[in-house]
Amino acid sequence: AQSVTQLDSQVPVFEEAPVELRCNYSSSVSVYLFWYVQYPNQGLQLLLKYLSGSTLVKGINGFEAEFNKSQTSFHLRKPSVHISDTAEYFCAVPYASGTYKYIFGTGTRLKVLA
Amino acid sequence: DVKVTQSSRYLVKRTGEKVFLECVQDMDHENMFWYRQDPGLGLRLIYFSYDVKMKEKGDIPEGYSVSREKKERFSLILESASTNQTSMYLCASSPTIGEKLFFGSGTQLSVL
Repeated sequence: AQSVTQLDSQVPVFEEAPVELRCNYSSSVSVYLFWYVQYPNQGLQLLLKYLSGSTLVKGINGFEAEFNKSQTSFHLRKPSVHISDTAEYFCAVPYASGTYKYIFGTGTRLKVLA
Repeated sequence: DVKVTQSSRYLVKRTGEKVFLECVQDMDHENMFWYRQDPGLGLRLIYFSYDVKMKEKGDIPEGYSVSREKKERFSLILESASTNQTSMYLCASSPTIGEKLFFGSGTQLSVL
């Protein structure tokens, strides 16, 4: 079964600076990979997903992520953050190929400072 | 616009009470999920359902049960609430394998 690791529980960054949120998963087989964002007092919404094809995936709000099979990583990046990007970010993968179930990382809280 | 609606945003219950958390989706999705979210632990799957009347246990089903009598509605039941079930509960749905999850806005349950 899969596992997901988000090493950074909190990431403070100044407005307009770049940011990278790290996600590593356990399996070396091809998988689906997702990043979700949770704004304060809201549920989660999809930022982007990787299913197949190009390893660089672009999502909403200027975010992108790169699937790296050899390093089993799917790091999330944004070249210039805004105050409104302050939120918690979760990486997620299916438990196993063909399953309905997803496993989530423990989350990274991004705090954008003025 | 797709929607997953959880009946209560905040709920306060007493230890030993039976608690019902309701979730309704309007997208005709086959799959529905209940997660609990705790600081530092991320989201943990309690139960999920891939069809009406069909359910499977997730990672932490103890102390919970579910009901799915209609496709659009998935209920989470705490048979006898305990203080360690104080948490944020998130309902989600998805149309099929590999598709994204659509989340409700959550129910913050406090058990006193």
